[in-house]
Amino acid sequence: AQSVTQPDIHITVSEGASLELRCNYSYGATPYLFWYVQSPGQGLQLLLKYFSGDTLVQGIKGFEAEFKRSQSSFNLRKPSVHWSDAAEYFCAVGVVSSASKIIFGSGTRLSIRP
Amino acid sequence: EAGVTQFPSHSVIEKGQTVTLRCDPISGHDNLYWYRRVMGKEIKFLLHFVKESKQDESGMPNNRFLAERTGGTYSTLKVQPAELEDSGVYFCASSPKGTRKFFGPGTRLTVL
Repeated sequence: AQSVTQPDIHITVSEGASLELRCNYSYGATPYLFWYVQSPGQGLQLLLKYFSGDTLVQGIKGFEAEFKRSQSSFNLRKPSVHWSDAAEYFCAVGVVSSASKIIFGSGTRLSIRP
Repeated sequence: EAGVTQFPSHSVIEKGQTVTLRCDPISGHDNLYWYRRVMGKEIKFLLHFVKESKQDESGMPNNRFLAERTGGTYSTLKVQPAELEDSGVYFCASSPKGTRKFFGPGTRLTVL
């Protein structure tokens, strides 16, 4: 069965520091992979997605993610975080056989230290 | 362009009561989805409408949950009777086609 694991429940980084949020997935074929962010009181916003092609994907707000098939990972990175990046981040995998379903990880809450 | 809207933003009810959540998708989006996140766990798929038809309702937890989308516009999700374990955040999303989904802010449901 498809699954997504985000091993870090909560991460705190200093403003200006680099960030990497981990995501591992379990899926039988090449997955569609996503990162979403939810800021307080807001809906889930798509940061970036990977369908095929270049394994390094650029997203909005200066985020990027790299698909590594050998490690079944899709980690999210940002070279320098801003206080406004404090939010909850969700990794997700799309089920190719169904346009309906996205399977989400349990989320990683990011706090920014001034 | 207005995004996906959900009403109410927060609902507090007692066990055994009925609650109806509403989702207004982005205009012109045929696909509408309901997801929920229970107690800080992962966000789980509930069901998918294409216009007014249920395309996939495999995620609906039990028959206390009823989703409708009359006329293929807005959708409602009714929980009757509500139980404690139904507490969580219910998200709605819409899409014109394909996998790009636009999510609403969610409705936080608290069952006491």
